[in-house]
Amino acid sequence: GQQLNQSPQSMFIQEGEDVSMNCTSSSIFNTWLWYKQEPGEGPVLLIALYKAGELTSNGRLTAQFGITRKDSFLNISASIPSDVGIYFCAGPMNSGGSNYKLTFGKGTLLTVNP
Amino acid sequence: GAGVSQSPRYKVAKRGQDVALRCDPISGHVSLFWYQQALGQGPEFLTYFQNEAQLDKSGLPSDRFFAERPEGSVSTLKIQRTQQEDSAVYLCASSPTGTGAEKLFFGSGTQLSVL
Repeated sequence: GQQLNQSPQSMFIQEGEDVSMNCTSSSIFNTWLWYKQEPGEGPVLLIALYKAGELTSNGRLTAQFGITRKDSFLNISASIPSDVGIYFCAGPMNSGGSNYKLTFGKGTLLTVNP
Repeated sequence: GAGVSQSPRYKVAKRGQDVALRCDPISGHVSLFWYQQALGQGPEFLTYFQNEAQLDKSGLPSDRFFAERPEGSVSTLKIQRTQQEDSAVYLCASSPTGTGAEKLFFGSGTQLSVL
């Protein structure tokens, strides 16, 4: 099945630093989603990408849909302590023409040192 | 409530017990999903409802898992004869539309521990 590989697995950074993480797949995706999950909570959608090459921002977050449609990047600028959490990439499985089933990567754990 | 509500937040079961996990989706949301999240992993799809119809149950790991949404709102995920490998966080999500995975709103999950 479709699998998403995220890197790095974890990051430990100082407050104020910029962060970059990525997600790759052996299959083409038509939509890329980035979620953040905090302890004891469900994932919350940060950014949705729909077109190859698309670059979308949400505050200090910027994500890009790779040209090959097999990868995506998420950047966080000027990190703050509340950025702590697990960041997941996800995409619809596109099985049988449907796009409601999401497949998730294993996540990147971000720790921000104040 | 304003968001997806799941209960209980935590459930400890002895191996072999049956458990029932409840999900209250956002009012008016057509679609409801169940995902399973093992420790250190991303969520994995279990099943999908559109209103009261279960349109996809391909992700349910075994016939011990059963989900229902009889009136098209509240849903229950039931696990019979629980095993240790069932230990995970079970996430419910709802969406206002019948398609479009990006419009999912997740609940906080039920953490199931099977001893």
